[in-house]
Amino acid sequence: QKEVEQDPGPLSVPEGAIVSLNCTYSNSAFQYFMWYRQYSRKGPELLMYTYSSGNKEDGRFTAQVDKSSKYISLFIRDSQPSDSATYLCAMSVSLLRGGSYIPTFGRGTSLIVHP
Amino acid sequence: NAGVTQTPKFQVLKTGQSMTLQCAQDMNHEYMSWYRQDPGMGLRLIHYSVGAGITDQGEVPNGYNVSRSTTEDFPLRLLSAAPSQTSVYFCASKTDSSGNTIYFGEGSWLTVV
Repeated sequence: QKEVEQDPGPLSVPEGAIVSLNCTYSNSAFQYFMWYRQYSRKGPELLMYTYSSGNKEDGRFTAQVDKSSKYISLFIRDSQPSDSATYLCAMSVSLLRGGSYIPTFGRGTSLIVHP
Repeated sequence: NAGVTQTPKFQVLKTGQSMTLQCAQDMNHEYMSWYRQDPGMGLRLIHYSVGAGITDQGEVPNGYNVSRSTTEDFPLRLLSAAPSQTSVYFCASKTDSSGNTIYFGEGSWLTVV
């Protein structure tokens, strides 16, 4: 079992729909939770990150973390065709050696928003 | 503002050949890393560096070497290419060991035949 599980999709929704993307994880030591967006043939770019449990909102995007359930979500309101991309969750914990936050990535979920 | 620059973007190698993927960043980041991305496997960490002169192995280091002689550059060397190394490679950097915002390059598409 991978430390971070993410359904690869694809998830196809009509324009304007609310999208819910999710990841589960097994390592209770994870402290930082991130969402990256990756357009086709491009590198991932950070969309949002949160520390510990709770919600964080940024425009049409809301990141939610439930540490008790080891479950994180990314919600996209009023989805647009330009949101079509692969969304990767990532999580990190401070390592004793070097104190480096090395993230563990999910496999990514492919989202298609059709007009 | 160049960010993280990778070269080449596309490369075809024959089995057994060696090559180096170049990565440079102009953000004065201490932490740099290399990932490979394969269908269904997500991003897997190959090697990383927390500063000049310091490197360490990630999840899938076999068949790859790295060095970090300067803060700016972090080349990835394939010693003897194998078809299993056909993948998309991403270089990434962040400010320092405690930073969480990782900046990725555009990727290098490598095919080994």
